[in-house]
Parts: sequence; structure tokens; C-alpha cells
Amino acid sequence: GIQVEQSPPDLILQEGANSTLRCNFSDSVNNLQWFHQNPWGQLINLFYIPSGTKQNGRLSATTVATERYSLLYISSSQTTDSGVYFCAVTIITQGGSEKLVFGKGTKLTVNP
Amino acid sequence: EPEVTQTPSHQVTQMGQEVILRCVPISNHLYFYWYRQILGQKVEFLVSFYNNEISEKSEIFDDQFSVERPDGSNFTLKIRSTKLEDSAMYFCASSSITTGGGSPLHFGNGTRLTVT
Repeated sequence: GIQVEQSPPDLILQEGANSTLRCNFSDSVNNLQWFHQNPWGQLINLFYIPSGTKQNGRLSATTVATERYSLLYISSSQTTDSGVYFCAVTIITQGGSEKLVFGKGTKLTVNP
Repeated sequence: EPEVTQTPSHQVTQMGQEVILRCVPISNHLYFYWYRQILGQKVEFLVSFYNNEISEKSEIFDDQFSVERPDGSNFTLKIRSTKLEDSAMYFCASSSITTGGGSPLHFGNGTRLTVT
């Protein structure tokens, strides 16, 4: 099956620093989403980004589908950015339906 | 903004007991899903549901699991006889059309199931 690899697995930043999280996937996908899992376990939609670049405040994401990777940029990080960031790709199953395949995540800790 | 609502937020049960996890998807959504996350691990697909039937299920979704849409708003996951290894966060999700067709998947806040 498809492999979704995220790097780095762990990242520690000082408040105000910038960072780039990477997601590589091993096969063609229909779509890609980035999620933030906060300390309470909630999965928050960040981006729905099959290709191209999107920005939302201090966050932006770029997906290059032809090269099978996506990047999530966090600028001027804040302590509230702490948590786990997941990349998830949409694949079509053998039965013809869809499912998301998640990476293992990048655990981000932003220190004051 | 409409949300996917899950109840309860936390459930503790004894091994062998039946549990029902409840979800209210976003009202105009047509595709419904359950995902599971064992503590510290990645989120895994369990089952997808469309047009009142299961469209796909993973190998995790064995005979102990079932899903139901008993009315026009609720979507439930039942575990008939819980095992210790069923302890996990269970997420319900929904989308208006297929994610490949242009719709993101919206997740609920999860139900943390603890089997003792």
C-alpha cells in the first residue's frame, strides 16, 4: 500500500522561529490534507491541498503532486502551535471508495 | 461553521462489554467514516459508509465492529465485546462529496475509549 512519510518526527522550536514540515508519499494520490492534533487530541483541518500553494495566516502549504511531496510552513511560531502535525493522503480503495492514509506525524514543541 | 459532533468525549468500559460511540455528522454530508488512533500512534482508517451501507472496511474492522445510521442524523460505531487493545481515540468524520472530488474530510473531536 501507499507509504506516507513525515519528517522530522520531532521538532523543538523557540517561540518566534520558523519551520518547515515535510510529507512524502510513495504513489499518486487524489488529495492531501494537513491536520494539527492539539494536546486534547482534536484533529483540526489546516489545509486541503491536492496541488499548489495555500496560505492561512502564519501557516502555508505547498503540494507538488508530480514529485509526491507536500510542505507545511509555520512562521513566527507560537506556543499554541505545539502538537502533532499529520499529513494524510486520499486514495481510492479496491472497492472503489476512498480513505485517508495518515503519516506518523511531526511532534512540534514550541517553547516560550 | 458546522461541526461533526461526537459523544461521549471519554468512555471507560470493562473488557467484554459492548460500547456504542455516537456521532452526528455535518447535516448535508453524505459520506461517513470512523478512524481510530491508538495512543501515540498514527490515525488509522476503520470503515466508510455511504448510501446506508458500508463501502469499505479495514482489516481492523472485524466482526466485533458494526456501524449504523439509525436515523437521518446519527452515525454510530458499536463494539460488541471490547478488548484491551480496543483502547484508543475513535474519530468520526464526514464529507459532502468524495475527498478526491474536492471536499475535505471533517473530523469530530473524538471519543477516547478506555477498556479496563
